[in-house]
Amino acid sequence: NAGVTQTPKFQVLKTGQSMTLQCAQDMNHEYMSWYRQDPGMGLRLIHYSVGAGITDQGEVPNGYNVSRSTTEDFPLRLLSAAPSQTSVYFCASASGRINTEAFFGQGTRLTVV
Amino acid sequence: LAKTTQPISMDSYEGQEVNITCSHNNIATNDYITWYQQFPSQGPRFIIQGYKTKVTNEVASLFIPADRKSSTLSLPRVSLSDTAVYYCLVGDMDQAGTALIFGKGTTLSVSS
Repeated sequence: NAGVTQTPKFQVLKTGQSMTLQCAQDMNHEYMSWYRQDPGMGLRLIHYSVGAGITDQGEVPNGYNVSRSTTEDFPLRLLSAAPSQTSVYFCASASGRINTEAFFGQGTRLTVV
Repeated sequence: LAKTTQPISMDSYEGQEVNITCSHNNIATNDYITWYQQFPSQGPRFIIQGYKTKVTNEVASLFIPADRKSSTLSLPRVSLSDTAVYYCLVGDMDQAGTALIFGKGTTLSVSS
């Protein structure tokens, strides 16, 4: 059981480049979310989705786009990378039922130079 | 969303019981209290969740007083492997598991 899979694990980008962080889950979960974590900080919510075709903004959405065309996948796009987006990115999924827990991926460490 | 306040750090020794208290004065009727654990270079992992009174599982206990304005995560007989950051989250039942708002958490250091 793979759970939540994030790719790549590490990435270095130049300022201005674009890229997509991939997130896939095999638990048939309705809810998926993206977070970023900066050194010494807790996780901050970027975008989330409560089902295919439905997305919404979190605490820090600027500079990021998402889409949810399937239940399994929730990619995060950086349109024009900036050094301020250097961070560790976590994807999570949850079933959406009451009293549910979120399952997190192992993270993508992104460095923008 | 209810704001939470918890100690920045705590120290303990192996074999001791550790209690981490979280304050959430503005908790709403629909809110659940959830605790996550995060090890370095890993994503957070669910520990326990509760609405009122006491909840216990194989890992921890969660104590919630009647007014629900605070909660205490209790870790019995900690070991070195319990060294981690612990997050207290308070959220709406309708958004359970998504749109989680994390604070800075409590860094627990366990020594031998």
